[in-house]
Amino acid sequence: GAVVSQHPSRVICKSGTSVKIECRSLDFQATTMFWYRQFPKQSLMLMATSNEGSKATYEQGVEKDKFLINHASLTLSTLTVTSAHPEDSSFYICSARGGVENIQYFGAGTRLSVL
Amino acid sequence: DAKTTQPTSMDCAEGRAANLPCNHSTISGNEYVYWYRQIHSQGPQYIIHGLKNNETNEMASLIITEDRKSSTLILPHATLRDTAVYYCIVRVLYNNDMRFGAGTRLTVKP
Repeated sequence: GAVVSQHPSRVICKSGTSVKIECRSLDFQATTMFWYRQFPKQSLMLMATSNEGSKATYEQGVEKDKFLINHASLTLSTLTVTSAHPEDSSFYICSARGGVENIQYFGAGTRLSVL
Repeated sequence: DAKTTQPTSMDCAEGRAANLPCNHSTISGNEYVYWYRQIHSQGPQYIIHGLKNNETNEMASLIITEDRKSSTLILPHATLRDTAVYYCIVRVLYNNDMRFGAGTRLTVKP
């Protein structure tokens, strides 16, 4: 299947700092990318949907000024967690959709720990 | 998108077939059935999808009932590495996103 690369896999930061997570579709062009968040023992929750070259659409309850999403090309989307706080600690997973059958593929995830 | 219902957990003996059921009684005619799995601390992995015909690939088989109100994912020879949470999702092909329910936690035992 297609490959979605997500980097970094793990990040530990101090409270108040910003963290950027990159998501790349390696072997296909993704017109649409998604960002999910997963807390321990819970399912994935969609945070936002982004289309290349346009502003992201955020799910209800997700602060767009805190979770900045940039989808500048058909193969790259970034999520920046601004002024991270301990409650932002979570597993963040990106996803890209593409190909003839429009399958959604997922990255390996980024575990964010805010101290 | 139609809602799906899956058992919370299942066990399977290593080497045996694992049959994971999913109910989607409100599925509409243009909605596909997708299966993903998530191994601990990893991103979800695409397994298979189908509309109304049974499908098979190198990972699994998908059996969809004739009325399309339920489906079964079959892992023909389960291994310990198949231990994961399996998600059944119903979605229109070109709809926006995948929404995840609680899934079925499959434990393959030696």
